[in-house]
Amino acid sequence: LAKTTQPISMDSYEGQEVNITCSHNNIATNDYITWYQQFPSQGPRFIIQGYKTKVTNEVASLFIPADRKSSTLSLPRVSLSDTAVYYCLVYGGATNKLIFGTGTLLAVQP
Amino acid sequence: GAVVSQHPSWVICKSGTSVKIECRSLDFQATTMFWYRQFPKQSLMLMATSNEGSKATYEQGVEKDKFLINHASLTLSTLTVTSAHPEDSSFYICSARSGVVQETQYFGPGTRLLVL
Repeated sequence: LAKTTQPISMDSYEGQEVNITCSHNNIATNDYITWYQQFPSQGPRFIIQGYKTKVTNEVASLFIPADRKSSTLSLPRVSLSDTAVYYCLVYGGATNKLIFGTGTLLAVQP
Repeated sequence: GAVVSQHPSWVICKSGTSVKIECRSLDFQATTMFWYRQFPKQSLMLMATSNEGSKATYEQGVEKDKFLINHASLTLSTLTVTSAHPEDSSFYICSARSGVVQETQYFGPGTRLLVL
């Protein structure tokens, strides 16, 4: 199973761009990289998914280098409501199930 | 994105009773559903994977006789916590996925279980 490593916590201020990097050195050829956001007492919410290079949607961008051993979630101009835990997961190739790591607690301050 | 619902959103029960939690995919057919458990300030822990019409596959350390999972249709999976005890108190979250493995997995809002 591909294991992911991400910072336990990050601090930011409103209006700043936040980049959360995740390491997944053992990612398999067919694995996809997926990021979820979770607020307290709620289920995780899908943010973005990618395989290589760059993916962008209305809420975030995902940057994946050529070796795919890491990925970076970029949140543009965060607000207080972006305070949450962000999880990076890889799946699809060697495994068909999402295994959650520790996640990154992002705290956005005014 | 797709919607997954859970019912009930919270439940309080006495020790020794059984509790059933429902997970429904509202606008898509879920060939695979997953059940997770989350304790306070911890990450989600996968309990089991269920495919429609077949037996669930449990993760190591999860008692299949205690946590009964039924995935009888493409839109409904149930988790029954049998003979619940206080240590089973937790936040239970289901998720659902349609089609191929790489497709997005959507999560329900979770069910808070408190066993007294």
